[in-house]
Amino acid sequence: GAVVSQHPSWVICKSGTSVKIECRSLDFQATTMFWYRQFPKQSLMLMATSNEGSKATYEQGVEKDKFLINHASLTLSTLTVTSAHPEDSSFYICSEVTSGRPNEQFFGPGTRLTVL
Amino acid sequence: SQQGEEDPQALSIQEGENATMNCSYKTSINNLQWYRQNSGRGLVHLILIRSNEREKHSGRLRVTLDTSKKSSSLLITASRAADTASYFCATGARAGGGNKLTFGTGTQLKVEL
Repeated sequence: GAVVSQHPSWVICKSGTSVKIECRSLDFQATTMFWYRQFPKQSLMLMATSNEGSKATYEQGVEKDKFLINHASLTLSTLTVTSAHPEDSSFYICSEVTSGRPNEQFFGPGTRLTVL
Repeated sequence: SQQGEEDPQALSIQEGENATMNCSYKTSINNLQWYRQNSGRGLVHLILIRSNEREKHSGRLRVTLDTSKKSSSLLITASRAADTASYFCATGARAGGGNKLTFGTGTQLKVEL
């Protein structure tokens, strides 16, 4: 159990376009979701925390108007990178938590975004 | 958030040897977790140790935690080529309905045949 999928697995887009990344829990209900960003050969940096039905909480330095997070249901969260620029190129990873196991995060396989 | 430090940054060993990675952190924690990441992939949870625990084992993995020194170590015994990956420690604190993780800088382990 505890399978998390992300779509797409990789995306290439032109500068100025918006990209939506989906994160789905396939076999459990996720009460909390986290979005991380990872630059090459670096660690994961938490971008935001979202709870189903409420607004996301963003980490310091992360622009909420640029990285739109929607957690509309217990199985789906989306991250939209608006007006993407080359510096937004990164590996984006979501993770999910279920109420029954609050200390464990189940990670998606990640989405590689390249902005030209 | 204050990111933890891991050392070494990179480690190269021969198959069959043991690999030890260390992690230091800065704030009080509820728990500390270790994750593995193969290149370009998501993270796989390895082991969680709570703040009131000192040592934990899981298969070939042994984790220690010293809260007085704010440090943890991960030992992989009898390493295999398939253990080649990046290893991250992460400290947990409550956030919303879940456990907010702050990741360390990671150790890149290479196990050679």
